[in-house]
Amino acid sequence: GAGVSQSPRYKVAKRGQDVALRCDPISGHVSLFWYQQALGQGPEFLTYFQNEAQLDKSGLPSDRFFAERPEGSVSTLKIQRTQQEDSAVYLCASSIIGAGLRGEQYFGPGTRLTVT
Amino acid sequence: RKEVEQDPGPFNVPEGATVAFNCTYSNSASQSFFWYRQDCRKEPKLLMSVYSSGNEDGRFTAQLNRASQYISLLIRDSKLSDSATYLCVVNYANDYKLSFGAGTTVTVRA
Repeated sequence: GAGVSQSPRYKVAKRGQDVALRCDPISGHVSLFWYQQALGQGPEFLTYFQNEAQLDKSGLPSDRFFAERPEGSVSTLKIQRTQQEDSAVYLCASSIIGAGLRGEQYFGPGTRLTVT
Repeated sequence: RKEVEQDPGPFNVPEGATVAFNCTYSNSASQSFFWYRQDCRKEPKLLMSVYSSGNEDGRFTAQLNRASQYISLLIRDSKLSDSATYLCVVNYANDYKLSFGAGTTVTVRA
């Protein structure tokens, strides 16, 4: 079956540009997560949605980062006025509700963002 | 101090060897523990959960030591296809949030 998909796979932005990263979760997965993975590091939690409700945005590094999931399926992570330190791989993951305790999050291939 | 710490390696082992590595976690209230595998430039994938009693999945054995707050992974009879980064993952007593270590890189050579 189809897994989590993300687009674009690669994005190069000039410093100061706005970017929008898209995530299509697995059909029927209620929970959706965004992570940021810097080179040589593990994924760092950014935000969590349950259906369309954003229940936790404690990991968003600044108010330049904004995420939405208006209809409870596709999600967009938007970064305004990109900075060089935003360069990273942005991973989206989805799971059935309650799967966190079982660790069963399914990750997409990520969007590799490079800010020049 | 990071919540989850791992030896980054790399662990460079010949095919057929056994390799083992640990990770430590700082929050004693942690509830659930996992190992994820991440191939180069790919997404992380769940390898196995870690239970207090220890558990095996084929050539992989995971152990949890709550008293010392560490988790281990042992790979027996290493295959070339085991070359990857292994991420230690901890869940802190809620339903969704996972905390990842930076990963331990294993390279199996022919």
